[in-house]
Amino acid sequence: DAMVIQNPRYQVTQFGKPVTLSCSQTLNHNVMYWYQQKSSQAPKLLFHYYDKDFNNEADTPDNFQSRRPNTSFCFLDIRSPGLGDAAMYLCATSRDRGKEKLFFGSGTQLSVL
Amino acid sequence: GNSVTQMEGPVTLSEEAFLTINCTYTATGYPSLFWYVQYPGEGLQLLLKATKADDKGSNKGFEATYRKETTSFHLEKGSVQVSDSAVYFCALSVKAAGNKLTFGGGTRVLVKP
Repeated sequence: DAMVIQNPRYQVTQFGKPVTLSCSQTLNHNVMYWYQQKSSQAPKLLFHYYDKDFNNEADTPDNFQSRRPNTSFCFLDIRSPGLGDAAMYLCATSRDRGKEKLFFGSGTQLSVL
Repeated sequence: GNSVTQMEGPVTLSEEAFLTINCTYTATGYPSLFWYVQYPGEGLQLLLKATKADDKGSNKGFEATYRKETTSFHLEKGSVQVSDSAVYFCALSVKAAGNKLTFGGGTRVLVKP
């Protein structure tokens, strides 16, 4: 059974039209991460939540926001997607901060037209 | 800063061939080292890890040895199967950086029958 679930698998949006990607987990893990992975590149950490504490990476554009309404769900909001935001977005969890084993979802492939 | 460099793919092999994927790193501090694997249509999964010099991580016939003197963590498997076709990511984490994972760019491996 999937433990980190991302929906949808493929998402198409228009240039400048806000889009939300979702992630849910059944592991009851404290930490949830969002990574951006462009074609043939390394996954890049955008931000993470440690419980309700939001931690943004220094180079994450303001265009990217996140919400974690409860332990199980985390959302990635892109306020005004540009063509350069087309990528695979990966959600991951870990039991606690400093626990290096991450559990990943299957990702959402975002296209921007 | 911290970075991971992997050999570029794709690597195409025949079944039962020997597989090596090179990985080198630079890190501020003493890193833990990982290999993650991403099978088609799935999220990343931890394959193996090593936390100190000369440690050998192993799983599913794959092995990698933490070589501090050469700052390397090469992945090997003696006899690959078609089911090993996937993208392999080398990664590191450093406690001083909050144990956040830094990934290499990934190496696609295709095993043909």
